[in-house]
Amino acid sequence: DQQVKQNSPSLSVQEGRISILNCDYTNSMFDYFLWYKKYPAEGPTFLISISSIKDKNEDGRFTVFLNKSAKHLSLHIVPSQPGDSAVYFCAAGFGNNDMRFGAGTRLTVKP
Amino acid sequence: DSGVTQTPKHLITATGQRVTLRCSPRSGDLSVYWYQQSLDQGLQFLIQYYNGEERAKGNILERFSAQQFPDLHSELNLSSLELGDSALYFCASSPYPEGLGTGELFFGEGSRLTVL
Repeated sequence: DQQVKQNSPSLSVQEGRISILNCDYTNSMFDYFLWYKKYPAEGPTFLISISSIKDKNEDGRFTVFLNKSAKHLSLHIVPSQPGDSAVYFCAAGFGNNDMRFGAGTRLTVKP
Repeated sequence: DSGVTQTPKHLITATGQRVTLRCSPRSGDLSVYWYQQSLDQGLQFLIQYYNGEERAKGNILERFSAQQFPDLHSELNLSSLELGDSALYFCASSPYPEGLGTGELFFGEGSRLTVL
């Protein structure tokens, strides 16, 4: 069951510009949403999260937006840096810490 | 370094065989999760343990089993292996039991299993 979908397998942006990664979900019962970043040969690392009762959460260059009516989540990175090049996973979780992950989007930030 | 240790990093075996993957969570973390990542797929949740007890089960096959020991390390046993079981298997840990925290997990580097 693909409850969390990342429809763009890859995204390429220029250094200094905004990166927007998108995620759609189907289950309205999710309690929270997260973004993880993954570099090659490493495990995913937590980036930012948002509760289902909020619509925006900001942490430095990273902002996550939640649109519950559209069941849509997005991650904005401003400004994008070459070190941000990685695979980004969207995840959605229930209260029991059962999390569902998307397939990931590979972000490439060009110098 | 997330503090989560997984061994082995790479494993090559044949169909029909059985393997064991090991995970040591971060110091003090009581919850351990196992995820499977097949080619071009997202992370599929397999199973969660909290302080030695199974807490949640995802899409784990009957050929697979796991346990968490008193020292909190966990093992994932994969038996009667098939070609389709080739994947990256991640272990993650969390200090929170269910219902608490915001879902932040700390992942190990993964164990890459290749079934020939």
